[in-house]
Amino acid sequence: AQRVTQPEKLLSVFKGAPVELKCNYSYSGSPELFWYVQYSRQRLQLLLRHISRESIKGFTADLNKGETSFHLKKPFAQEEDSAMYYCALSGASYDKVIFGPGTSLSVIP
Amino acid sequence: EAGVVQSPRYKIIEKKQPVAFWCNPISGHNTLYWYRQNLGQGPELLIRYENEEAVDDSQLPKDRFSAERLKGVDSTLKIQPAELGDSAVYLCASSFWTSGGTLTYNEQFFGPGTRLTVL
Repeated sequence: AQRVTQPEKLLSVFKGAPVELKCNYSYSGSPELFWYVQYSRQRLQLLLRHISRESIKGFTADLNKGETSFHLKKPFAQEEDSAMYYCALSGASYDKVIFGPGTSLSVIP
Repeated sequence: EAGVVQSPRYKIIEKKQPVAFWCNPISGHNTLYWYRQNLGQGPELLIRYENEEAVDDSQLPKDRFSAERLKGVDSTLKIQPAELGDSAVYLCASSFWTSGGTLTYNEQFFGPGTRLTVL
């Protein structure tokens, strides 16, 4: 079964501290993994995708196929990073995106 | 560019009443999605359209939910009759998606959602 899990519903870190939002998935095949973000009073939007291997707003995520994980990391959290983060996956045909339950990140000043 | 437009933004109805949501996708996007997002969960796909064809409606509760996308542009999602458990945020998204050849992921752009409360 295709599934995305995010074990932390809430995560609080102090400004300047490292942050890691965990994501694990189950999928038979080679999925593509994404992180979506929703800032307060804004729309859900794509943050990054593993195939791009980009750093967006200081965030990076590495796909670990052995551990079926796609954790989102940032070395120094900023207050503006406070938001809801959703991990998601899609199959090779990109016709369907499955979202995890989300993690609410709060960066304490 | 206004992005994906949805209306209404909020709707409160009593159970057993009908309700309809409207979505206008980004111009030129051929694919339109309706998602339902329950409290504390991620969005779940209800139906996906490619132009005017519903290509995936496997998660749409067809006994009470219906959707249409006439002329392959705007779309409406209807619930009749609504139940208490239908309270959720209904999200519309659009993208430009192509099948065949070399597939690439084209980002889905989301609307602001409609928050439905069924009393």
